[in-house]
Amino acid sequence: KAGVTQTPRYLIKTRGQQVTLSCSPISGHRSVSWYQQTPGQGLQFLFEYFSETQRNKGNFPGRFSGRQFSNSRSEMNVSTLELGDSALYLCASTPDRGKRGYTFGSGTRLTVV
Amino acid sequence: AQRVTQPEKLLSVFKGAPVELKCNYSYSGSPELFWYVQYSRQRLQLLLRHISRESIKGFTADLNKGETSFHLKKPFAQEEDSAMYYCAYNQAGTALIFGKGTTLSVSS
Repeated sequence: KAGVTQTPRYLIKTRGQQVTLSCSPISGHRSVSWYQQTPGQGLQFLFEYFSETQRNKGNFPGRFSGRQFSNSRSEMNVSTLELGDSALYLCASTPDRGKRGYTFGSGTRLTVV
Repeated sequence: AQRVTQPEKLLSVFKGAPVELKCNYSYSGSPELFWYVQYSRQRLQLLLRHISRESIKGFTADLNKGETSFHLKKPFAQEEDSAMYYCAYNQAGTALIFGKGTTLSVSS
């Protein structure tokens, strides 16, 4: 069974640009959530999607957005990039409201210069 | 504010010593709590769920509602246990709220 797949693995962008990250969940998992990991703030929840609907959102500015497609694949977009957006962005999926835990991808390392 | 607290940033022990990684939470009701582990250059992975009361790689964690704690314990640490450990709360079945994490370093 394939795990959670995130593409690309690495990205370097310039301040002011926008970026789109992709996540393919485990087959059969309909919930996809996104997290930002930084050395200073640790792991912070961005948002969660289920059946193409955003059900929960963390405390991030509107520059961070996402969506989910009918096949459960999800994308995350960050517009007007800032240096502070440099982080590892993790995607996780679960079939059952997380009761058995969430499975994480390897992440996309975004560097903003 | 609702939060998960891991008071220690770093815990250093010798091989064979007991380990206890502390986690406290401030949520009310019946929490769903987890421990996740991130080994060097590997993805974040689930270690334990409080609901299953299992033992994985010799680690156990007991939910103490009176003390609002979910500490992770292992009687005899191994060098391969060296990693970053995160305590997490399942919020509304849609999000994991993580503590800041504790780095466990086991030396021989």
